[in-house]
Amino acid sequence: KQEVTQIPAALSVPEGENLVLNCSFTDSAIYNLQWFRQDPGKGLTSLLLIQSSQREQTSGRLNASLDKSSGRSTLYIAASQPGDSATYLCAVTSSGYSTLTFGKGTMLLVSP
Amino acid sequence: DTAVSQTPKYLVTQMGNDKSIKCEQNLGHDTMYWYKQDSKKFLKIMFSYNNKELIINETVPNRFSPKSPDKAHLNLHINSLELGDSAVYFCASSLQGAGEQYFGPGTRLTVT
Repeated sequence: KQEVTQIPAALSVPEGENLVLNCSFTDSAIYNLQWFRQDPGKGLTSLLLIQSSQREQTSGRLNASLDKSSGRSTLYIAASQPGDSATYLCAVTSSGYSTLTFGKGTMLLVSP
Repeated sequence: DTAVSQTPKYLVTQMGNDKSIKCEQNLGHDTMYWYKQDSKKFLKIMFSYNNKELIINETVPNRFSPKSPDKAHLNLHINSLELGDSAVYFCASSLQGAGEQYFGPGTRLTVT
């Protein structure tokens, strides 16, 4: 059974810092990995999707990497801003399934 | 245009009642999902439908019955509501399963 772990559970940084969020999964047989953002009381916004054959994806200040063999992904946020404050969720689609298995998220606070 | 929409956004009801949540997507996707986010913010898959057919039912009580009248709609009916059903329910959709998933805004269900 796939399990997804995100570290740290919470992170507080001053504006302008570069930061890394970590995600690990127990079963390396995955189709893809998605990073989401969830603002309080809101739905999930897809940030990046990495297919199992890819090593990384970039969108603006965000860069996500995937090391499938070691069961790890990182989300790098450059030059953080207060508007980046949210909970970031990592989720994987395991081979043979179409549904996402989520981690518990990292709650990020970027202070001005 | 809203990609994945859910109604209602908030639902407050008493134990024992029956309620429904509706979901519609206008993305042309063929796979739709229901996820539950509990009080600890942990997201877990409930159901997955592909082309109106149930694909995955993740040990959800029989009181929960999804219905997909067509590929663009997936409704969730809940019978005999219990206190433990209080949560946020998210609908999502993707193309051809295992694709990037897009989430609705969520329905916050409170059972009193």
